[in-house]
Amino acid sequence: GDSVTQMEGPVTLSEEAFLTINCTYTATGYPSLFWYVQYPGEGLQLLLKATKADDKGSNKGFEATYRKETTSFHLEKGSVQVSDSAVYFCALSDRGEKLTFGTGTRLTIIP
Amino acid sequence: DGGITQSPKYLFRKEGQNVTLSCEQNLNHDAMYWYRQDPGQGLRLIYYSQIVNDFQKGDIAEGYSVSREKKESFPLTVTSAQKNPTAFYLCASSIRRHTDTQYFGPGTRLTVL
Repeated sequence: GDSVTQMEGPVTLSEEAFLTINCTYTATGYPSLFWYVQYPGEGLQLLLKATKADDKGSNKGFEATYRKETTSFHLEKGSVQVSDSAVYFCALSDRGEKLTFGTGTRLTIIP
Repeated sequence: DGGITQSPKYLFRKEGQNVTLSCEQNLNHDAMYWYRQDPGQGLRLIYYSQIVNDFQKGDIAEGYSVSREKKESFPLTVTSAQKNPTAFYLCASSIRRHTDTQYFGPGTRLTVL
């Protein structure tokens, strides 16, 4: 079945550091890929998505590129801020039936 | 403002009691979903509904029940048969069936004492 593997957390960075959170997936078809963010005590917010190979999703300075050859969708940001502290989830949707999530990566940014 | 509302935010129940979690959306979305989130884990799908009066079991449906009598409402009942009900429950919706992007509500934290 479909699965998503995320970089183990927690991740702690200093403000303005470069961020990478790794995500790889297994799917039988051609899934759409997502990054969601969850702030403490809240629901999930869609951060970005990509629907086909080589697409790049971007939002709020975050980027991720759909790499079919490496089955990856790594999340990157050039300069993180304290307000980026949250839990980040990678997810896939194959044929739009349901989302399959990774276990989440907790990110803490230190001033 | 359009969105998904879940109530209450925190819910406490005694062991052996059934409890119903509310989920309402005014986005005019056809599809709705319930997920469970446990500490350090990703979200797991409990039930989903692609249209009114129809719903399907997800990966962990045992001990839960749902109804979809109205397009905007998808309540989840956690029954006494659910062995470990304490968790964070998230409702989501998408525009129509087979649409990838899901939008989430703020969640309900259920604690069974």
